[in-house]
Amino acid sequence: DAMVIQNPRYQVTQFGKPVTLSCSQTLNHNVMYWYQQKSSQAPKLLFHYYDKDFNNEADTPDNFQSRRPNTSFCFLDIRSPGLGDAAMYLCATSRAPEYQETQYFGPGTRLLVL
Amino acid sequence: AQSVAQPEDQVNVAEGNPLTVKCTYSVSGNPYLFWYVQYPNRGLQFLLKYITGDNLVKGSYGFEAEFNKSQTSFHLKKPSALVSDSALYFCAVRDSYSSASKIIFGSGTRLSIRP
Repeated sequence: DAMVIQNPRYQVTQFGKPVTLSCSQTLNHNVMYWYQQKSSQAPKLLFHYYDKDFNNEADTPDNFQSRRPNTSFCFLDIRSPGLGDAAMYLCATSRAPEYQETQYFGPGTRLLVL
Repeated sequence: AQSVAQPEDQVNVAEGNPLTVKCTYSVSGNPYLFWYVQYPNRGLQFLLKYITGDNLVKGSYGFEAEFNKSQTSFHLKKPSALVSDSALYFCAVRDSYSSASKIIFGSGTRLSIRP
């Protein structure tokens, strides 16, 4: 009964080679989030989609983009990965804010940049 | 600005002893508070939340947290620690200025339970 699924779990890419990480959900939640987490630090929010509305965090580099083609799927695109982009990338979902519920996280994708 | 603080980077406890992981918060308005746990190379798992009601909140895996408004704290507790509780714990608060259910995380506390 997986709820938030991330593929792949581990991704290796080369410096400067575009990479796409995938997230899907079976919860039919309105909101989907992408976080970057480095070495046991707090997750850092990159952006989120509230239904089809995209919301970028002010300090998210332009190198990071996202797509949400439908309710269930959301993608994180890194256009030109640098060594500093090696991290765990976490996808999360939640219902609309009025439900006052928590976020549900996927297992994460660990990205290695060579 | 809304924030949560976890003053301890690491907490070490012997198995079978009670454990406390500390969290303090700073919010405007009513606080919506959460605890998450993260095991190595895994995503965050929700433990418990406080929105309103009873100050003692019970959650998963035998954990509980006590909301204290006067001390602006939301400490995580467990009466008897297990080695399997060893993990990274994050306290978080909902960002009430956000149109979505954004949450703000503390810096995390690594809990280590020795046999």
